[in-house]
Amino acid sequence: QLQLQESGPGPVKPSETLSLTCTVSGGSINSDSHYWGWIRQPPGKGLEWIGSIYYSGNSYYNASLKSRVSISVDTSKNKFSLRLSSVTAADTAVYYCARQTTWDGRYFDSWGPGTLVTVSS
Amino acid sequence: QSVLTQPPSVSGAPGQRVTISCTGSSSNIGARYDVHWYQQLPGTAPKLLIYGNTYRPSGVPDRFSGSKSGTSASLAITGLQAEDEADYYCQSYDTSLTGYVFGTGTKVTVL
Repeated sequence: QLQLQESGPGPVKPSETLSLTCTVSGGSINSDSHYWGWIRQPPGKGLEWIGSIYYSGNSYYNASLKSRVSISVDTSKNKFSLRLSSVTAADTAVYYCARQTTWDGRYFDSWGPGTLVTVSS
Repeated sequence: QSVLTQPPSVSGAPGQRVTISCTGSSSNIGARYDVHWYQQLPGTAPKLLIYGNTYRPSGVPDRFSGSKSGTSASLAITGLQAEDEADYYCQSYDTSLTGYVFGTGTKVTVL
């Protein structure tokens, strides 16, 4: 059974870079049928897609975050990672990693439990 | 502000039928992009409920059904149960934003 797990260093200070990793188990990230994505949810608010990456390294991002976001993939470790630079309090959210299909409208069919990242000085 | 609009809340008594609308535009749902639905129980990650407008993943009860028409989509829950209390989100693709978008979310309360 596929499992995804987010991990990161904890709180981040304003203007610094947020870094998170998603470890995939029970399946291979080297799948031509899936993308791997990041979605976030500020406390008490809705979901926002951040970006997605293919195992080849092709990535695409939410236009509103594109200047600050980078997603990478490490197929040898079955992991993919998120970097969000110049963070502010508005970036405080639960960050989810998820598997995204490459067909049927590209929905997110498997999610990690999420990790809360707080931006505070 | 999301480009997919949902009612903030809906409620119903056990056993009743409730529907949640997801209103978009010609750059997303109206452009024939599929709509998907997710259920988020309190304190947990979202879970795929409906994909490709009308299809249920294995394990999702047939009490949940989806439909799409024009620039809108709907999720219906029949035979409402206490365990259905959750937040529900629609999701699609938007050509103007060139990215994936989620609805504003709807909280379902079982009276």
